[in-house]
Amino acid sequence: DAGVIQSPRHEVTEMGQEVTLRCKPISGHDYLFWYRQTMMRGLELLIYFNNNVPIDDSGMPEDRFSAKMPNASFSTLKIQPSEPRDSAVYFCASSPAGTSGYRAKNIQYFGAGTRLSVL
Amino acid sequence: QQPVQSPQAVILREGEDAVINCSSSKALYSVHWYRQKHGEAPVFLMILLKGGEQKGHDKISASFNEKKQQSSLYLTASQLSYSGTYFCGTPNAGNMLTFGGGTRLMVKP
Repeated sequence: DAGVIQSPRHEVTEMGQEVTLRCKPISGHDYLFWYRQTMMRGLELLIYFNNNVPIDDSGMPEDRFSAKMPNASFSTLKIQPSEPRDSAVYFCASSPAGTSGYRAKNIQYFGAGTRLSVL
Repeated sequence: QQPVQSPQAVILREGEDAVINCSSSKALYSVHWYRQKHGEAPVFLMILLKGGEQKGHDKISASFNEKKQQSSLYLTASQLSYSGTYFCGTPNAGNMLTFGGGTRLMVKP
């Protein structure tokens, strides 16, 4: 399997522009996660989906951020309008179905990430 | 609630040992460990599911003390390839992980 695929790998944009990040999870995985990583805040979970349905979006910083998963093989994270403080590395990860809960065995497989720079 | 990792950073010489700790202020039922090399994505190392469990992978091992709500990662006879940032993650009732702040490990020749 090719693993989790993210695009683009790098994105440079100007403040106020719309940014769309894309993710293709590993085939057969039921869970998809979007993370943001910065030096100051570390690795933060933004939102995650189970079977294409958003389960927890409490980590989404504000209304400028939105995420969709129209089918099992594709998800997008959109920022509109973008701001310099959105500059970060955004990771997508997927996880297989199976046990859930506090003793979940589900390993998360991360994509290579998208490095976003908002000028 | 984010688990707390210590130390935040450690520098080693090749062949030296290191311990990375992960503790939680709430009940801890299992712990995931990931490693992220510079410029790369986090990669899964191991999961500990039961109190008292210990696991090993090459010369990297971990223990989990459920009562003390903490886990430790042991790196023995470190190699240059061990350099990176190590994260512990704790699952919630759903399937999400909350990651600690990370421990940056640098192994020098």
